[in-house]
Formats: sequence, C-alpha cells, structure tokens
Amino acid sequence: QVQLQESGPGLVKPSETLSLTCTVSGYSIGSGYYWGWIRQPPGKGLEWIGSIYHSGTTNYNPSLKSRVTISVDTSKNQFYLKLNSVTATDTAVYFCARHSGPYGYWGQGTLVTVSS
Amino acid sequence: EIVMTQSPATLSVSPGERATLSCRASQSVSSSLAWYQQRPGQAPRLLIYGASTRVTGIPARFSGSGSGTDFTLTISSLQSEDFAVYYCQQYNNWPPNTFGQGTKLEIK
Repeated sequence: QVQLQESGPGLVKPSETLSLTCTVSGYSIGSGYYWGWIRQPPGKGLEWIGSIYHSGTTNYNPSLKSRVTISVDTSKNQFYLKLNSVTATDTAVYFCARHSGPYGYWGQGTLVTVSS
Repeated sequence: EIVMTQSPATLSVSPGERATLSCRASQSVSSSLAWYQQRPGQAPRLLIYGASTRVTGIPARFSGSGSGTDFTLTISSLQSEDFAVYYCQQYNNWPPNTFGQGTKLEIK
C-alpha cells in the first residue's frame, strides 16, 4: 500500500531554512498524482503549503509563496520542502500527502520547532 | 481564495447519539468537498470525498451531504473512537487548497 514518511531536522534556528524530505513507498511518484505539504501549528488547524505534480509543476499557497520551494526526485521516489527565513510562527507538524483533489494518503507528520 | 467555515467549533454529544457537523464555503465548490477525521497525535484520515462518497473501509455510520456552499457530515450512533477533530476541505478551485478550521467532537 502507499506509504509516506517525512524526515528532516526537528529544530531550526530563526532566519534559517527548514528542509524536509518525504519518502514514498508503494507507488511511483512519476506515475501520477499531486504530492503536497500541509502543516499544523500546535493546537491549530491545517494549512496547505504547496503541491507538486508528478511532472514537476508546482503550486504554492500565496501566503508562503515567496519562501517556499517544493521539488521532486522521481529516481529516489522522494519530494522535498524548503521554507526559508523561518520564524517561530513556522513551528508546526509538517505532513506530506498524496492527492488528486482530496488527500488520500498522509505521512505521520514531523514536528519542526523554530527556536534559537 | 475560497474560505471554508465549520460549525460549531466544539460539539458535545453522548455515545450512541447522532452528531451533525456543518461546513460552509464562501462560494460554490460544487461537490468537490472532502471530510477528514484527525485523532490526537495522528495524521488526518480521509473519510468522505465528492461531498457524499465514503472511502473504502469507512463505517456506514459516517455520511456526507450537500453541494454548492453548504455541507454536512453526519455520524449516527457515535462510537468512542469517533471523538476527534473533523475538517472539511474544498478542492474545486485551487490553488490554494483550503481547509475549514475544524470541529472538535467531544464526549458529553
């Protein structure tokens, strides 16, 4: 079955770049679907960050667009999130997920704390 | 951007009773509406898409209805494992994908 797993540093300093990897198993990223990143600040709701299509086309949340880059490596079956110039408000659980319209498969999430 | 508004923020219901959760879109999303359940410490789980189609394996006590701007998730005969936070999401007009702020379903 399709599985997604986030990985990356759990602590990032303010003004630095948050970098996460999502490793997909059970499905080849290059075969289709959108692959997205969603975050959830502690105790709050879900915020879509952005998505990448299997072809490499990206879409970003306008509120984060200036700081976000999502990329994909189909040979590794991974996709990536980079969020630069982070502040404490970027502290959240970050999820990766596969979607067409609805999000059918999610990773377990990884907590990233922004703190010096 | 389409804004999704869920009500109520918190719903207190006794086990065995029915729960009705609402989601309203700021403009029509046709039937491009999904519902998710999120238990503490877990990722959201897709329950319903297309406003009313249950995902395989989701119990029949979960049902969705609505179209356009007004949607409802109904859980008949609540079980202990159903007490969680529920989110709606529209995918008719994106980017951006937008989620509601969530309804916490708690035990009365």
